[in-house]
Amino acid sequence: KAGVTQTPRYLIKTRGQQVTLSCSPISGHRSVSWYQQTPGQGLQFLFEYFSETQRNKGNFPGRFSGRQFSNSRSEMNVSTLELGDSALYLCASSRSPGQAYEQYFGPGTRLTVT
Amino acid sequence: QKEVEQDPGPLSVPEGAIVSLNCTYSNSAFQYFMWYRQYSRKGPELLMYTYSSGNKEDGRFTAQVDKSSKYISLFIRDSQPSDSATYLCAMSLMDSSYKLIFGSGTRLLVRP
Repeated sequence: KAGVTQTPRYLIKTRGQQVTLSCSPISGHRSVSWYQQTPGQGLQFLFEYFSETQRNKGNFPGRFSGRQFSNSRSEMNVSTLELGDSALYLCASSRSPGQAYEQYFGPGTRLTVT
Repeated sequence: QKEVEQDPGPLSVPEGAIVSLNCTYSNSAFQYFMWYRQYSRKGPELLMYTYSSGNKEDGRFTAQVDKSSKYISLFIRDSQPSDSATYLCAMSLMDSSYKLIFGSGTRLLVRP
């Protein structure tokens, strides 16, 4: 069974630009969560989607947004990039929100903002 | 104070040693407790999860939860150099949010 896939794996962007990251969950998984991981802050929750609806949102500015499609695939968008947005962005999926204890992560997208 | 505390390490042990990794937490409402392993430049890999208190064993790994002390542990028996990674604990509320709260991770180095 294929795992969580994320594209692209690496991105280099310039301050002020915007970026879209993509995540395909494990087949049968309908809940998708996004996290930002940095050396200083660790893993921080961005948002969670289930049935195309955002269920939870972390403490991030409105520049960070996401969506989920009917096939459970998800995208996240960061507009007006800042240097501090450089991080590993991780997507994780589970069968449902109530099964978040069995959440599987993708390999991540490493974003560098210059 | 963070909701979940985890010693960042690094923890360096010789091959074959028993490793003990720990997390403490402050919110008594946490019900599910997870351990993830993360190799450098990779995504976290779910090792195991435990519901409420007690022990759970999977091969060389044993997870323990002590809710009375708000303390969880992961033991690795017969540690191998391939176990060298960062280990993250995570905890989940069972309210409608089901949000996971992660520890900051402990770096483990197993020396050959």
